[in-house]
Amino acid sequence: GAGVSQSPSNKVTEKGKDVELRCDPISGHTALYWYRQSLGQGLEFLIYFQGNSAPDKSGLPSDRFSAERTGGSVSTLTIQRTQQEDSAVYLCASSLLPGTTYYEQYFGPGTRLTVT
Amino acid sequence: GENVEQHPSTLSVQEGDSAVIKCTYSDSASNYFPWYKQELGKRPQLIIDIRSNVGEKKDQRIAVTLNKTAKHFSLHITETQPEDSAVYFCAASQGDSWGKLQFGAGTQVVVTP
Repeated sequence: GAGVSQSPSNKVTEKGKDVELRCDPISGHTALYWYRQSLGQGLEFLIYFQGNSAPDKSGLPSDRFSAERTGGSVSTLTIQRTQQEDSAVYLCASSLLPGTTYYEQYFGPGTRLTVT
Repeated sequence: GENVEQHPSTLSVQEGDSAVIKCTYSDSASNYFPWYKQELGKRPQLIIDIRSNVGEKKDQRIAVTLNKTAKHFSLHITETQPEDSAVYFCAASQGDSWGKLQFGAGTQVVVTP
């Protein structure tokens, strides 16, 4: 079946502009995660949606970052007033809803964001 | 919050030799420890995971060991092959949150023929 998809694959934007990154999770996966991967670095947790519960936003680096998930499926990560330090690959992942066990997180191909 | 440290940052091995990557974590409540492999230009993929009630798990040429007392876990790859060349990330669950993972910084493994 189809895996996690993200769009756009690449985004170049000017400093100060807003950007929206989209994630389509695997059908039936009710948990969705956003990560940021800077060059040569690990995956930095940003936000986690779990079913109908309030999202865990504890990883968002500033109030310029926000995310929403509509209809329990597609998610959009928005970065307002972009800064050069926001340049990174933004990865989305989805999994079956964790409850009393863990399920594998399946990653999308990522969106490479470059802020000039 | 959880802090995961991973060593070494780079590892070069001869084909056929073994590779070992070590991670330490800080949150004693962590109970799930996955390992992801990321090939150049590709997305991370789960290769093996271990839960806190198990000390060791093996899957063909890869194995993971966990020492909860010392708060460290390791990935072992035996009989390395060129296709094992990739960046490997360890991760630990954050407290009792079943979904949140804290990742290590990654280890670049290069297997030379």
